Amino acid sequence: AQSVTQLGSHVSVSEGALVLLRCNYSSSVPPYLFWYVQYPNQGLQLLLKYTTGATLVKGINGFEAEFKKSETSFHLTKPSAHMSDAAEYFCAVSDPRTGTASKLTFGTGTRLQVTL
Amino acid sequence: DTGVSQNPRHKITKRGQNVTFRCDPISEHNRLYWYRQTLGQGPEFLTYFQNEAQLEKSRLLSDRFSAERPKGSFSTLEIQRTEQGDSAMYLCASSDRGGLGYGYTFGSGTRLTVV
Repeated sequence: AQSVTQLGSHVSVSEGALVLLRCNYSSSVPPYLFWYVQYPNQGLQLLLKYTTGATLVKGINGFEAEFKKSETSFHLTKPSAHMSDAAEYFCAVSDPRTGTASKLTFGTGTRLQVTL
Repeated sequence: DTGVSQNPRHKITKRGQNVTFRCDPISEHNRLYWYRQTLGQGPEFLTYFQNEAQLEKSRLLSDRFSAERPKGSFSTLEIQRTEQGDSAMYLCASSDRGGLGYGYTFGSGTRLTVV
């Protein structure tokens, strides 16, 4: 079974500061990894994903994440926070062996607050 | 816009009543998923369709829950005899034959409140 742990249910940063949201996974095989963002009363929007290839993945809105197999981590970063980044962020994994099933296992989320 | 559409956006129902939600996927997507998200938690997988076939069901999907996807187009999720614990956001997603790597898109969800 796969699982995802997101350290820190709430993270607060100042506008312009570095954003670091942590995600660690547990999986018997290298998984596919995802970060999603959710604004209030809305669905989930994909920020970025890692399936194969380059371990540093760049996504939308200036976010990026690095897959580190040795640390079983996929932390999300952004060099400079903007007020519009305030939202809930979810890390998710999928077992690539499931092929067409493609279901996602999510972490519990991290709420990012951006202050002036 | 041809995104994933879910209706209704909000539903308030009395305990014991039946409710039905609808999801219209992106038209060319043959795969459809239902997730449930409770307050302060991440979404949890409920069930998955490929075309009209329901290929996987989570143990979270009790006997009171039933999902259908007639003709492989829209899908409905019905909850019978609702309980307060059913209060959650119900999210639908769809993807094309490429699965996770391609076009896995979520709808805005249906928020259910059972009173």
